[in-house]
Amino acid sequence: DSGVTQTPKHLITATGQRVTLRCSPRSGDLSVYWYQQSLDQGLQFLIQYYNGEERAKGNILERFSAQQFPDLHSELNLSSLELGDSALYFCASSVEGAWGQPQHFGDGTRLSIL
Amino acid sequence: KNQVEQSPQSLIILEGKNCTLQCNYTVSPFSNLRWYKQDTGRGPVSLTIMTFSENTKSNGRYTATLDADTKQSSLHITASQLSDSASYICVVSPATYKYIFGTGTRLKVLA
Repeated sequence: DSGVTQTPKHLITATGQRVTLRCSPRSGDLSVYWYQQSLDQGLQFLIQYYNGEERAKGNILERFSAQQFPDLHSELNLSSLELGDSALYFCASSVEGAWGQPQHFGDGTRLSIL
Repeated sequence: KNQVEQSPQSLIILEGKNCTLQCNYTVSPFSNLRWYKQDTGRGPVSLTIMTFSENTKSNGRYTATLDADTKQSSLHITASQLSDSASYICVVSPATYKYIFGTGTRLKVLA
């Protein structure tokens, strides 16, 4: 068990809808990362937060947004959903935001767009 | 273009045998290289993190090597076990806070 909790585990919705994925980092970790894993593109880094502030952006679409709250949990908001957004969304956390630290992943939220 | 390529795509070995997975990258500048193990339906688990100056790093039966000159890394698994069946993913950081993922090698260990 990595200590990172993601909810919900599964989410099924329709095109055009909006969903929110939630992540609770390991106790004591200040940094949160979001990743997308699809069958055709593998894992992709979306965004990183450190202690409530955005630290880095990867291949995150404008329809997607995230935030990290004062209690350090994070939410990833996906809007105007398209079929291609169907994927596994992982959250990871690390103690600090430094690049050399290991990241601990949750077991993901599987998003299916019908 | 920053890319990470892994080979082979899939591999089947017998329990107890050794194997080596390859990762070639064209990422520049180089910051660090990570190997992850991902079981089906689970999140990736970090095996090793290597910086430019490190050539070898071990984590139990897993040993990663890095040749920054040729931009190649390998992950060697010794005395494989059934529980080693998983996907192994190589991740290269071109700079701090960026991550380029390979598509992984799917390993199957047979009894």
